[in-house]
Amino acid sequence: EAQVTQNPRYLITVTGKKLTVTCSQNMNHEYMSWYRQDPGLGLRQIYYSMNVEVTDKGDVPEGYKVSRKEKRNFPLILESPSPNQTSLYFCASRWRGTDYEQYFGPGTRLTVT
Amino acid sequence: DQQVKQNSPSLSVQEGRISILNCDYTNSMFDYFLWYKKYPAEGPTFLISISSIKDKNEDGRFTVFLNKSAKHLSLHIVPSQPGDSAVYFCAASASGANSKLTFGKGITLSVRP
Repeated sequence: EAQVTQNPRYLITVTGKKLTVTCSQNMNHEYMSWYRQDPGLGLRQIYYSMNVEVTDKGDVPEGYKVSRKEKRNFPLILESPSPNQTSLYFCASRWRGTDYEQYFGPGTRLTVT
Repeated sequence: DQQVKQNSPSLSVQEGRISILNCDYTNSMFDYFLWYKKYPAEGPTFLISISSIKDKNEDGRFTVFLNKSAKHLSLHIVPSQPGDSAVYFCAASASGANSKLTFGKGITLSVRP
């Protein structure tokens, strides 16, 4: 089954404790990205990657890091989480080219206290 | 500066009637538009798209209309069903493999039985 998976689905952590949210896709997509969803703000892109070892900032990259060492994986790293990073996070992937349909993961609900 | 605007945060319609969800955009470079549907505790799923070379695209009960001169698109759902109750995101992108999707804030549709 074609899918994007994220782990963990729910995470409660404390300020400053480094964490990683994993994302994996099995569709051989080149393009992957991370979004956060906040009430009244919709979906905002954090980082994206066009292919292995190619990453770039989205609209709200501050406080986040990513890496793309393998085509299927695109982890999101919060080196020192803060309460304003409490949010719902989605990973997504798609093919490059004119087909812009993105496939989203199920989401990770992160709470930073 | 919000480039994709969904000005109505919510819409309530009676089952069997038409639902019309509106979306406006400001970036004249956008040439591909998509609608995503999101249920609680799930990731967004692709619903329907339209290229700027068309003014209408239909898929079953869902039709998207594009008015390029007004920079406006709308999603029509006919007939509306209770299972259509969800958050609907409008998204847009400009040509190019590297182009990202810009999302609106979303509209919560409630279909009353």
